[in-house]
Amino acid sequence: GQNIDQPTEMTATEGAIVQINCTYQTSGFNGLFWYQQHAGEAPTFLSYNVLDGLEEKGRFSSFLSRSKGYSYLLLKELQMKDSASYLCAVNYSNDYKLSFGAGTTVTVRA
Amino acid sequence: EAQVTQNPRYLITVTGKKLTVTCSQNMNHEYMSWYRQDPGLGLRQIYYSMNVEVTDKGDVPEGYKVSRKEKRNFPLILESPSPNQTSLYFCASSLYSMGGGKQETQYFGPGTRLLVL
Repeated sequence: GQNIDQPTEMTATEGAIVQINCTYQTSGFNGLFWYQQHAGEAPTFLSYNVLDGLEEKGRFSSFLSRSKGYSYLLLKELQMKDSASYLCAVNYSNDYKLSFGAGTTVTVRA
Repeated sequence: EAQVTQNPRYLITVTGKKLTVTCSQNMNHEYMSWYRQDPGLGLRQIYYSMNVEVTDKGDVPEGYKVSRKEKRNFPLILESPSPNQTSLYFCASSLYSMGGGKQETQYFGPGTRLLVL
């Protein structure tokens, strides 16, 4: 199996920073995605990492270390609208699909 | 507007009554996929299709069927639904298949919430 692990829940204050970690099985790794999913809605694409390092997109950044099988999604200057579930998903070689973690529910408090 | 649509959005049915959930995309995507989402388990792939007339099983295909007769449509069929198929279902599509280190972003439909009594 691909054993994609991420924390179940995180809580943070408006304006703060939150880091959501994701670990995965390294064998056959082909690329990692982060999706955001608001309650009752469809997941929407946030970021893609295939090489080591940090990818920054406005308030959101995603980091990848292929040798460690580790990624994180960094949410800066948190806003109430960032309250959502964040899904880590990995594509493996010779596999025509994404394997998803169970998701991390982030709650932003005023 | 580029989108993935699903119908119905909500469905309550009874055990054994065949049903079909439709999925359609207007982006000329080759790859389409069905997922179910259950609390604590995340999104699990049911079936996927890499192109017209090419379908394959995902991680949880039991109790489901699909077809891909046209590029834009990928219906999910439950021949004899059971209560353990109560779930939130998402259809998704991407321009090409996953794999090869390509960034093939998947676009998701709005979801179909199914309750099987």
